[in-house]
Amino acid sequence: GESVGLHLPTLSVQEGDNSIINCAYSNSASDYFIWYKQESGKGPQFIIDIRSNMDKRQGQRVTVLLNKTVKHLSLQIAATQPGDSAVYFCAENPQYNFNKFYFGSGTKLNVKP
Amino acid sequence: ETGVTQSPTHLIKTRGQQVTLRCSSQSGHNTVSWYQQALGQGPQFIFQYYREEENGRGNFPPRFSGLQFPNYSSELNVNALELDDSALYLCASSYGQGSYEQYFGPGTRLTVT
Repeated sequence: GESVGLHLPTLSVQEGDNSIINCAYSNSASDYFIWYKQESGKGPQFIIDIRSNMDKRQGQRVTVLLNKTVKHLSLQIAATQPGDSAVYFCAENPQYNFNKFYFGSGTKLNVKP
Repeated sequence: ETGVTQSPTHLIKTRGQQVTLRCSSQSGHNTVSWYQQALGQGPQFIFQYYREEENGRGNFPPRFSGLQFPNYSSELNVNALELDDSALYLCASSYGQGSYEQYFGPGTRLTVT
């Protein structure tokens, strides 16, 4: 498949380490956020979401942190595995635009065995 | 897998031609959004259909049009294709007009020559 991460910021981590992927969002009115994982040649895959009335949400091996003061979102992946290698996007949903999402430019995660 | 399907997988068209892309939403979902993803970038919102009506549009010209059918499947039509229309076209389905998680299909890779 084709790469979707040709000119993206890249994070390289060792297998087993924890990964932290950061995202700055633009609209202070955004009240819902999703992290997506996109593997080469595939569509984005839902990982975890968070609403603006929360500052932390945990899933299986993943945690999302939201700091509304500085409009910053992060995705933490525990015990990173080779299968986690992909491009990760954060997407924001401004309250007034219902289910229309604005995507960040993405971060490419490389997991070294 | 999300249950969202798209066809065709790949398509090659000539500049000036017209193209129709198709999307079947996940069972129980009544909202379909279309996104364009250029190589190395995040998806960009084209438009959204909710219960067969257009429910929001991004910054795309009128030659990008769509339909949603009673079974909530959807089509994206692009007229007068330009070279810059070459991209991965993604559809995402969700439930309702509010801020809900949306699930993406695998995309259609369109190449305009």
